[in-house]
Amino acid sequence: DTGVSQDPRHKITKRGQNVTFRCDPISEHNRLYWYRQTLGQGPEFLTYFQNEAQLEKSRLLSDRFSAERPKGSFSTLEIQRTEQGDSAMYLCASSSDRGRYEQYFGPGTRLTVT
Amino acid sequence: LAKTTQPISMDSYEGQEVNITCSHNNIATNDYITWYQQFPSQGPRFIIQGYKTKVTNEVASLFIPADRKSSTLSLPRVSLSDTAVYYCLVGGGVSNDYKLSFGAGTTVTVRA
Repeated sequence: DTGVSQDPRHKITKRGQNVTFRCDPISEHNRLYWYRQTLGQGPEFLTYFQNEAQLEKSRLLSDRFSAERPKGSFSTLEIQRTEQGDSAMYLCASSSDRGRYEQYFGPGTRLTVT
Repeated sequence: LAKTTQPISMDSYEGQEVNITCSHNNIATNDYITWYQQFPSQGPRFIIQGYKTKVTNEVASLFIPADRKSSTLSLPRVSLSDTAVYYCLVGGGVSNDYKLSFGAGTTVTVRA
């Protein structure tokens, strides 16, 4: 399978705990994106990497959120001191330089904060 | 001001053609029109993209009139498995335009 993969698929955590999600993009894609989706809404942009450089962060990404993409390969999204409002589906996508609007999404990580 | 406007929901029956029209009155010269499909508990899936006239692939057709202020996604002979949310997006024409901005989409329900 050469698509975008995400791990874990589901995460249940208690408020105040830290969580980390991983995304493995399509290997030849140099652009990687994180989105968040809550029930009944379309995905919302969180952050964007071109290779290993994080070029944009949404204001939705509070200081409790951090994302990395070491060596321009996989990416991690960490949420510190989780809050109930962080409960959502976290989606990762990747694309080539030319296909900026042709993004390939992973299956997502469903986070539930209790 | 919303970049796109599309119906909230549409119902259809198996074997029928479904046409979803999206309005994008403020589309920029360089913008593309892109449609995504999303099934419950899955990430969105790119289905088709166009700039003008008509584009067809194995999944759908995209019709774009000359003024590009609207577009129509056509799903031929739908089946139950086509029940999903369909999103219309415009943009991507310049190098710094990469953030997909999803609205609420159109929920298409296909019945037997």
